[in-house]
Amino acid sequence: GESVGLHLPTLSVQEGDNSIINCAYSNSASDYFIWYKQESGKGPQFIIDIRSNMDKRQGQRVTVLLNKTVKHLSLQIAATQPGDSAVYFCAENKTGRRALTFGSGTRLQVQP
Amino acid sequence: NAGVTQTPKFQVLKTGQSMTLQCAQDMNHEYMSWYRQDPGMGLRLIHYSVGAGITDQGEVPNGYNVSRSTTEDFPLRLLSAAPSQTSVYFCASSPSWTGGKNEQFFGPGTRLTVL
Repeated sequence: GESVGLHLPTLSVQEGDNSIINCAYSNSASDYFIWYKQESGKGPQFIIDIRSNMDKRQGQRVTVLLNKTVKHLSLQIAATQPGDSAVYFCAENKTGRRALTFGSGTRLQVQP
Repeated sequence: NAGVTQTPKFQVLKTGQSMTLQCAQDMNHEYMSWYRQDPGMGLRLIHYSVGAGITDQGEVPNGYNVSRSTTEDFPLRLLSAAPSQTSVYFCASSPSWTGGKNEQFFGPGTRLTVL
C-alpha cells in the first residue's frame, strides 16, 4: 500500500555534528515533499520543501535530498544544535490531491 | 496575527458524548485541515477545506464532521466520542494549494481523552 515511513525512530548526535534523517516513500506519483519539525507539546513547523523535479534544495543549515530512483528523501542538518532536538516528519503530496501524507517521525536528540 | 488558534487545549470526554473542537485563523488562508496524531505515529488527515462552504474527507474521517461557514473558522465535531478517538488534534491552514506546494501553519493542538 501507499506509505511514507522512516528508517530510524531515534537519532542521537553530538552538538556540532551533522545530522541526517531519512525517509522512504512508496508512491511514485507524489510531486511535492516537505519536512516538518515538531517540538514537544507544539504543532509541527515547516522546515523545507522540495518538488519532485528537483534532487536537492538547501536552506539555512538544512538540505533536503530527493532520490526518486530509490524513493528516498533525506534531511541534513549542519552543525546540529540543542535547539534542533525534536521529532522530524517527512510528508508527501500526491499529484492532483490536495492533502499531505505524513510519515511516522524520527526523534532527534542532540547531546551537549 | 495570532496565527492558528485551537480551543480547548485539553478535554476529557465520556464515551458517547459529543463535542466540538474549535479552530480559527486570522491569516485569510483558503485551505484548512484537521489532523490527529497518535503516540509514535505521524499525523493523519481527518478532513480538509479548500474554502468557505467546501469540505472534503481525508484519510480517517469516520466519527467526525466539519463545516466551513467562514474563511476564519473550521470546527471539528465529534458526534459520539469513542476511546479510539483519544488523540492529539491539530488544525492547520495555508494560503492556497498551488501545484502541490502547501506550507501549512499548525495550531498548538488539542489533547483529547475519551474514557
